[in-house]
Amino acid sequence: DAGITQSPRHKVTETGTPVTLRCHQTENHRYMYWYRQDPGHGLRLIHYSYGVKDTDKGEVSDGYSVSRSKTEDFLLTLESATSSQTSVYFCAISERQRDTQYFGPGTRLTVL
Amino acid sequence: GEDVEQSLFLSVREGDSSVINCTYTDSSSTYLYWYKQEPGAGLQLLTYIFSNMDMKQDQRLTVLLNKKDKHLSLRIADTQTGDSAIYFCAVPVGDDKIIFGKGTRLHILP
Repeated sequence: DAGITQSPRHKVTETGTPVTLRCHQTENHRYMYWYRQDPGHGLRLIHYSYGVKDTDKGEVSDGYSVSRSKTEDFLLTLESATSSQTSVYFCAISERQRDTQYFGPGTRLTVL
Repeated sequence: GEDVEQSLFLSVREGDSSVINCTYTDSSSTYLYWYKQEPGAGLQLLTYIFSNMDMKQDQRLTVLLNKKDKHLSLRIADTQTGDSAIYFCAVPVGDDKIIFGKGTRLHILP
């Protein structure tokens, strides 16, 4: 398995609070991605990174920000969590764009 | 726009073959992927096919690609209870992204 960890694995928070999810990789892959998975919607790309300090938006980026200060870490921040952001969040990595993506175990976030 | 479609559910009897279908509107000339997601876990790459091939076989798995009809399928022979999972097809589009289908939940009947 590719060395990808996500933390926390589970989180319950209240509406309006900030939340940061962390993705850590040991594979030295250039590309990192954040997805959310919801019933009926499958996987939707939130943001991705193509290098340190280089990020771009995906299809559902509103309400989310990301940062990548080191190759191995990609952070996803919900500045003010809303109930619509209750979801399972997956991080993925790849060596090249459109290349095979390897997924982390996921973080289940519940916003009350 | 770009889209990848799969049926949401499939029920198959243990020992029979499962066929999961995927249609797409656009793809780049590269690999097309099938991922498997078991309960409570992330997606794992199951198999892939290069866009210049029309079939790939890997043990119990057979991938068929019809580029003309933009149709990708995954056949699992001799389906076992451990095959129960959600299966996603993933198609590279343009220069910079991969689009995932919504996933097909495979249910195994005894």
